[in-house]
Amino acid sequence: GAVVSQHPSRVICKSGTSVKIECRSLDFQATTMFWYRQFPKQSLMLMATSNEGSKATYEQGVEKDKFLINHASLTLSTLTVTSAHPEDSSFYICSAGDSRNEKLFFGSGTQLSVL
Amino acid sequence: SQQGEEDPQALSIQEGENATMNCSYKTSINNLQWYRQNSGRGLVHLILIRSNEREKHSGRLRVTLDTSKKSSSLLITASRAADTASYFCATVSGSARQLTFGSGTQLTVLP
Repeated sequence: GAVVSQHPSRVICKSGTSVKIECRSLDFQATTMFWYRQFPKQSLMLMATSNEGSKATYEQGVEKDKFLINHASLTLSTLTVTSAHPEDSSFYICSAGDSRNEKLFFGSGTQLSVL
Repeated sequence: SQQGEEDPQALSIQEGENATMNCSYKTSINNLQWYRQNSGRGLVHLILIRSNEREKHSGRLRVTLDTSKKSSSLLITASRAADTASYFCATVSGSARQLTFGSGTQLTVLP
């Protein structure tokens, strides 16, 4: 089945630093990738939709200058949390799908802890 | 934003018993999907049911969909300790492919 690779799986950083999370589709071309955020014991909340070669579409309440999304190729999307603060600590998950498949495939997630 | 609610929020059963989880949603949908998530991990796709389907099976999984009630259920038969996880329903509406997730059910299967 299709594989989506997400790195890093865990990152601890100091407040004020920026963190980049990568999401790669390994065996298919993903024209669209989605970024979710999940707090402990809660559901996934969609942050933004990333379209290859164009600007990402952000959900209401998500700061686009805070969470920079780049989808420069059909197999790679990145999420950069800029000037991270402790309240940004969360589990971030990406998902991707190809044009032929209704299913989406998820990365293994990134646990971000900001000290 | 969340599409709807799942119940129960938490379910604890003995190995071998069946587990039923319910999901309700608010808007019309193209399809509804069920996912499983082990603690601190990504999501694994379990099953997809389209809006014109009423029931679907996959191994020990049985999913029903009632579009008139805007609800779905996931039944796991003959549960195993390895089924312990969080289970989420997610809907797809309109032309967008994005998933909108329910609140999830934490299933614990006791050996």
